[in-house]
Amino acid sequence: GQQLNQSPQSMFIQEGEDVSMNCTSSSIFNTWLWYKQDPGEGPVLLIALYKAGELTSNGRLTAQFGITRKDSFLNISASIPSDVGIYFCAGQGTNAGKSTFGDGTTLTVKP
Amino acid sequence: NAGVTQTPKFQVLKTGQSMTLQCAQDMNHEYMSWYRQDPGMGLRLIHYSVGAGITDQGEVPNGYNVSRSTTEDFPLRLLSAAPSQTSVYFCASRSPGYTEAFFGQGTRLTVV
Repeated sequence: GQQLNQSPQSMFIQEGEDVSMNCTSSSIFNTWLWYKQDPGEGPVLLIALYKAGELTSNGRLTAQFGITRKDSFLNISASIPSDVGIYFCAGQGTNAGKSTFGDGTTLTVKP
Repeated sequence: NAGVTQTPKFQVLKTGQSMTLQCAQDMNHEYMSWYRQDPGMGLRLIHYSVGAGITDQGEVPNGYNVSRSTTEDFPLRLLSAAPSQTSVYFCASRSPGYTEAFFGQGTRLTVV
């Protein structure tokens, strides 16, 4: 089946630093999604991308849909302590009922 | 705003026992899914449904059954629990034309 490779697996950064993480796939996706999961909670959508090449921002977050439709990245600028959590990428292909998730990037922000 | 409600939040089972994890949503979403989350392995799709009466298998369906008799409810059944099914289970729902999935708070299941 479809698999997503998400990297890095974990990041330890200082407050104020920028963060970059990415996802690659062996398959083409029609939609890329980025979620954040806080401890003890379910994931919450941060950004959705619908077209190859699309660059979308949500506050300090910026995400891009790769031209090949097989990759996506997420940047967080000027990190703050509440950015701590697990970030997941997810892709949706031709089967609209299914979303495939990456393994997550665990972000730790030191004040 | 209830959103997606999962019950129970915590459960301990003995090997071989059966149980049903409940999931209900009040947003009239057609699509519902069950995922399991294990450390370092992200969210893996167990089963999903694109509408009442329609279900299909995800990546890791073995050991789990589902049914979808109503739009609101999508229960997940473990017929004979095994230690390998120890995990956190998430239910999610969304509308077909809108890709954001709304997740429940999860059920933490331990099989001993």
